[in-house]
Amino acid sequence: AQKITQTQPGMFVQEKEAVTLDCTYDTSDQSYGLFWYKQPSSGEMIFLIYQGSYDEQNATEGRYSLNFQKARKSANLVISASQLGDSAMYFCAMRVRKGNTPLVFGKGTRLSVIA
Amino acid sequence: DVKVTQSSRYLVKRTGEKVFLECVQDMDHENMFWYRQDPGLGLRLIYFSYDVKMKEKGDIPEGYSVSREKKERFSLILESASTNQTSMYLCASTLDRVDYGYTFGSGTRLTVV
Repeated sequence: AQKITQTQPGMFVQEKEAVTLDCTYDTSDQSYGLFWYKQPSSGEMIFLIYQGSYDEQNATEGRYSLNFQKARKSANLVISASQLGDSAMYFCAMRVRKGNTPLVFGKGTRLSVIA
Repeated sequence: DVKVTQSSRYLVKRTGEKVFLECVQDMDHENMFWYRQDPGLGLRLIYFSYDVKMKEKGDIPEGYSVSREKKERFSLILESASTNQTSMYLCASTLDRVDYGYTFGSGTRLTVV
């Protein structure tokens, strides 16, 4: 079975600073995908970034990057130059390469950006 | 614009009522999912379906059932609503690929009184 652990229930960051949201995962599968989602107060879930287990380079999408350390089974999200609009819940999730397996989510981290 | 549509944004029902939550996707995705989200517990999988008329139990199926008669529609049914089913319900769909994430609906906030 897969498991995602997000150890930071809540975090604060100053506007324009970078912030790292932690995510560790556990799986015995060698082939898997890791995802980060953002959930603003409106409730919608917004896909941010994806990292495959065989990808050699860390994924980047604009101000988002994923610090993937396979040996440590960690997939931390780094947000550079934080903006007030980044205040939201952030969920880490994973999916293994077996047919029809659902995404497994962590419990989330609430990020608050302070002006 | 491709999307997943949940029929209601907010819903208030009485204890004991039968409740239907509808979800429709227009992306021809094989897989569809129902999650509930509660503070401090994250997203918990209720049921999922990987094909028409197929369904699989998730982590918390008790008190729920589902129906998938057509590929684009996945319904969640609360047979007899209880107050502990007050929650945010999220529907999602995806292709059967490990590198493909979910597309979520906007959620239904259900209150059972």
